[in-house]
Amino acid sequence: EVRLVESGGGLVKPWGSLRLSCVASGLTFSDAWMAWGRQAPGKGLEWVGRIKSKTSGEGTDYAAPVKGRFTISRDDSKNTVYLQMKSLKIEDTAVYYCITGIKGHYDDAFDMWGQGTLVTVS
Amino acid sequence: QSALTQPASVSGSPGQSITISCTGSGADIGAYNYVAWYQQHPGKAPKLLIYEVTTRPSGISTRFSGSKSGNTASLTISGLQAEDEADYYCGSYSRGNTLVVFGGGTTLTV
Repeated sequence: EVRLVESGGGLVKPWGSLRLSCVASGLTFSDAWMAWGRQAPGKGLEWVGRIKSKTSGEGTDYAAPVKGRFTISRDDSKNTVYLQMKSLKIEDTAVYYCITGIKGHYDDAFDMWGQGTLVTVS
Repeated sequence: QSALTQPASVSGSPGQSITISCTGSGADIGAYNYVAWYQQHPGKAPKLLIYEVTTRPSGISTRFSGSKSGNTASLTISGLQAEDEADYYCGSYSRGNTLVVFGGGTTLTV
């Protein structure tokens, strides 16, 4: 069974920084492309960004609202993906989900989601 | 403002069928057959129902089906059940300035 467990959320002031972690189990982590999504309170889903596997070049892509402020990285030895967030804004307040997709559809079919971790910028 | 447009709410009676629309543009839904649908119950993580417009992952009921015409995708739920009451989101791969876009969500009341 695939499990994605996020941690690191909390309360942070505007312009502050925070790093989220996601530990994955039950999958061949080194092969998986990992993504982050978020959901503001009472609002819809938003894709934040993605990191490819090492064999695919570990390329990253980010949503326009977070580009230049957020950085996704991975440590395959720890089965962990990170989301480093800087220059946080009020509008970054959301539950952040660690996500992975169906093999071959890592950018369009997200079948595994963590339980989410709440980030509050205030 | 979400990139994809969904109705805010739909409703139906048990046993009936409903359809939720998702309208995008030539940069996302119209450009690719990479449309997905997700179900989200309150306080829970989203669950993938449909991907690649029409494909159901293993374990997803055949009551859920997807389609696409032009820039608009649709999710149909047949034989509505009480447990189908949830929020539904569409998502699509995009060649815009964000790789993946979602709709604003549709609340289904059964």
